[in-house]
Amino acid sequence: AQKVTQAQTEISVVEKEDVTLDCVYETRDTTYYLFWYKQPPSGELVFLIRRNSFDEQNEISGRYSWNFQKSTSSFNFTITASQVVDSAVYFCALSEAVKVKTIFGAGTRLFVKA
Amino acid sequence: DSGVTQTPKHLITATGQRVTLRCSPRSGDLSVYWYQQSLDQGLQFLIQYYNGEERAKGNILERFSAQQFPDLHSELNLSSLELGDSALYFCASSATGGRLSSGANVLTFGAGSRLTVL
Repeated sequence: AQKVTQAQTEISVVEKEDVTLDCVYETRDTTYYLFWYKQPPSGELVFLIRRNSFDEQNEISGRYSWNFQKSTSSFNFTITASQVVDSAVYFCALSEAVKVKTIFGAGTRLFVKA
Repeated sequence: DSGVTQTPKHLITATGQRVTLRCSPRSGDLSVYWYQQSLDQGLQFLIQYYNGEERAKGNILERFSAQQFPDLHSELNLSSLELGDSALYFCASSATGGRLSSGANVLTFGAGSRLTVL
């Protein structure tokens, strides 16, 4: 069965600190996709990244980086030099190849204080 | 603006009533997904339509129903409303999501419809 666990409910950091958001997933499929979405205070979820299960290369996009490790079923998200604008709820999500539904973790609320 | 339009933005109603939430997908997208976001349940997948056909079903209650019309807009009908149905209802769309879909669909979300049941 599909499952996504985001154990960190809330994280509070001071601006310019680095922060890592954890995501652990469960699936029986060998082909699957992992996602991160951001939900700012305005409420609309915004897509950040998608990785497929055959590509374990880490990805960096500006201050954002993602670490995908199949051995630990984890897909962690790191924000370097956090900014107040990074304050949001971040969701990790999983979609299996044979199913169209994307399931989401409970989300991690990130507070970045100035 | 994501291109996914949801109406109404806010809705307050009473228990036992029926409401309809509307969603217009992003131009060119054929799939529409409905999600419910509540404080205790998180973001729950309800149902997905692809080009007018139901494609996948999640934890959608029998009191809830949805459809996708020929112009690809979708409606989510919630009836016999209970206090616990109060939530933010999101619609999302994707370009793919049909029978040959790989599950790699990136979802574009609307701003949501906040339903309050009193």
